[in-house]
Amino acid sequence: QQQVKQSPQSLIVQKGGIPIINCAYENTAFDYFPWYQQFPGKGPALLIAIRPDVSEKKEGRFTISFNKSAKQFSLHIMDSQPGDSATYFCAATGGTSYGKLTFGQGTILTVHP
Amino acid sequence: GAGVSQSPSNKVTEKGKDVELRCDPISGHTALYWYRQSLGQGLEFLIYFQGNSAPDKSGLPSDRFSAERTGGSVSTLTIQRTQQEDSAVYLCASSLDGNTYEQYFGPGTRLTVT
Repeated sequence: QQQVKQSPQSLIVQKGGIPIINCAYENTAFDYFPWYQQFPGKGPALLIAIRPDVSEKKEGRFTISFNKSAKQFSLHIMDSQPGDSATYFCAATGGTSYGKLTFGQGTILTVHP
Repeated sequence: GAGVSQSPSNKVTEKGKDVELRCDPISGHTALYWYRQSLGQGLEFLIYFQGNSAPDKSGLPSDRFSAERTGGSVSTLTIQRTQQEDSAVYLCASSLDGNTYEQYFGPGTRLTVT
């Protein structure tokens, strides 16, 4: 019940495209859903996060869509750039978990020029 | 301000040796987390500190793993009698407190056990 399932494992788009990464969770106690971006050799960097009281959150070119009834959330990257090429992780926490994050398996995004 | 720092950045050790990994959280952050990132297992939670106490150690893989935090700041993760399966990147993250979920990660320590 603690799993977060992420898809796809890898994604290739052209510059300007809109990659979409999807995650699904099982634990209904989760109430905070962040996305992290990780470049090779670096730690994950917090990109954007959402709580279940809203269905969408936008920060710059990054948008999270959240579907509470389906227990799914997704990351959309508008006008993607080669510099967005990285690994993206969704995560979830909440309930009595002290904020510890349960991560998806990651998506390797490649944006071609 | 300074972010989360970890040292060393890389550590190569022989099987059976003990290693210590250090984490300096963001100043003022009372919550500290250790995670492990490996190819096969992804990002896994190890232990959570609130101040100097560890209310959640549920992710520690075995009794060879231990961690402490002193002065509500620096934390050390110790792995005794290292095994090859311990090879991974060990990541530390901090947040303002255990109820503020925004966690900020350090660059990690890459541990290689030969």
